[in-house]
Amino acid sequence: NAGVTQTPKFQVLKTGQSMTLQCAQDMNHEYMSWYRQDPGMGLRLIHYSVGAGITDQGEVPNGYNVSRSTTEDFPLRLLSAAPSQTSVYFCASSYRQGVGKLFFGSGTQLSVL
Amino acid sequence: DAKTTQPTSMDCAEGRAANLPCNHSTISGNEYVYWYRQIHSQGPQYIIHGLKNNETNEMASLIITEDRKSSTLILPHATLRDTAVYYCIVSTGGGGSNYKLTFGKGTLLTVNP
Repeated sequence: NAGVTQTPKFQVLKTGQSMTLQCAQDMNHEYMSWYRQDPGMGLRLIHYSVGAGITDQGEVPNGYNVSRSTTEDFPLRLLSAAPSQTSVYFCASSYRQGVGKLFFGSGTQLSVL
Repeated sequence: DAKTTQPTSMDCAEGRAANLPCNHSTISGNEYVYWYRQIHSQGPQYIIHGLKNNETNEMASLIITEDRKSSTLILPHATLRDTAVYYCIVSTGGGGSNYKLTFGKGTLLTVNP
């Protein structure tokens, strides 16, 4: 199993550009989530999904869109990037009834200029 | 989820036991205690979790007080590779449809040679 795979690992955007951060898992996990991590702020939950077709907001959802059309994939979309979205983004997955035991990807480092 | 309190940083000598404390005085009866760690620039890694009883696995031991208001993560023989930020999280883990796992700022454990 590859686990949780995030692409790209690094990305530089200009303000106003759009992009999609990809996240895929091969463990048949129902639950998937996106976190962002900023210096001194810890990890903050952006969006999560408990199954295909179901998504919900976390602590900091503004500026981000998600969809879950398959169990395996949970992309995070930035429609109009802002410098405040410069951060490290982590995708995580788990079984629905075992959300405390998350498996994390290796992260995407995003810079918005 | 109940709030947790951890020291900002701790030091430990290589080969000695590292004991990381966590206070969670408002924990509910259906909430578990989870521990994760994050080695610099990597995704967080699940370590262990427990409800009431002490738990042990190949990575660590978890001691939960009888009143469940605090816990201690024990790394029995710390190595330099255990230098990381350690997060203590209290959550139902998906029970009761609570799917939000909240990470605080954690404890930076530095293992010294």
